[in-house]
Amino acid sequence: GAGVSQSPSNKVTEKGKDVELRCDPISGHTALYWYRQSLGQGLEFLIYFQGNSAPDKSGLPSDRFSAERTGGSVSTLTIQRTQQEDSAVYLCASSFGSGANVLTFGAGSRLTVL
Amino acid sequence: TQLLEQSPQFLSIQEGENLTVYCNSSSVFSSLQWYRQEPGEGPVLLVTVVTGGEVKKLKRLTFQFGDARKDSSLHITAAQPGDTGLYLCAGDRGYQKVTFGTGTKLQVIP
Repeated sequence: GAGVSQSPSNKVTEKGKDVELRCDPISGHTALYWYRQSLGQGLEFLIYFQGNSAPDKSGLPSDRFSAERTGGSVSTLTIQRTQQEDSAVYLCASSFGSGANVLTFGAGSRLTVL
Repeated sequence: TQLLEQSPQFLSIQEGENLTVYCNSSSVFSSLQWYRQEPGEGPVLLVTVVTGGEVKKLKRLTFQFGDARKDSSLHITAAQPGDTGLYLCAGDRGYQKVTFGTGTKLQVIP
């Protein structure tokens, strides 16, 4: 596609439920990032995929968070047993992963945990 | 450990005023980018600077990359309400992941 697509755009869930957030990166982009952003705050790095290398999971806040990237394209961020503090906007970005590494962001998935 | 520190964190100014946002690090970057994010959207790239000492102008916005490629500044002349948003710098060290700064929230009051 022309840009990075994220779904759902909004998700309201109950505490304790699992949620999956999806990211469709730009075709040909080898790098994919997930970030979390609380209201009005900066970006909190979660996880980074680069080609076939092992993902950098150093930003995942707990073992309830996981992500995978299938076939080097679509990525899914899964949050298990959601907590109220998980409420935030989850942003996905992709890039060519080399040279001047410019990121293109999706519009984000807003997660609200009641 | 935050590799890229931005200052100020918040800035509220009147329309027509000038302002400068700073992005500082102890690390050397191969390039540095500036993004602007408006409410409800993802960050959008404004500029990439690559060469130490480089200055780039984008209308009323002037971006500078430090000589040692560790820091950068964004200067806005005669700020407009449309400049309101969250400004983020991001450092790139080649094949490693891009690192974002702490962000500067700018509000321009008409």
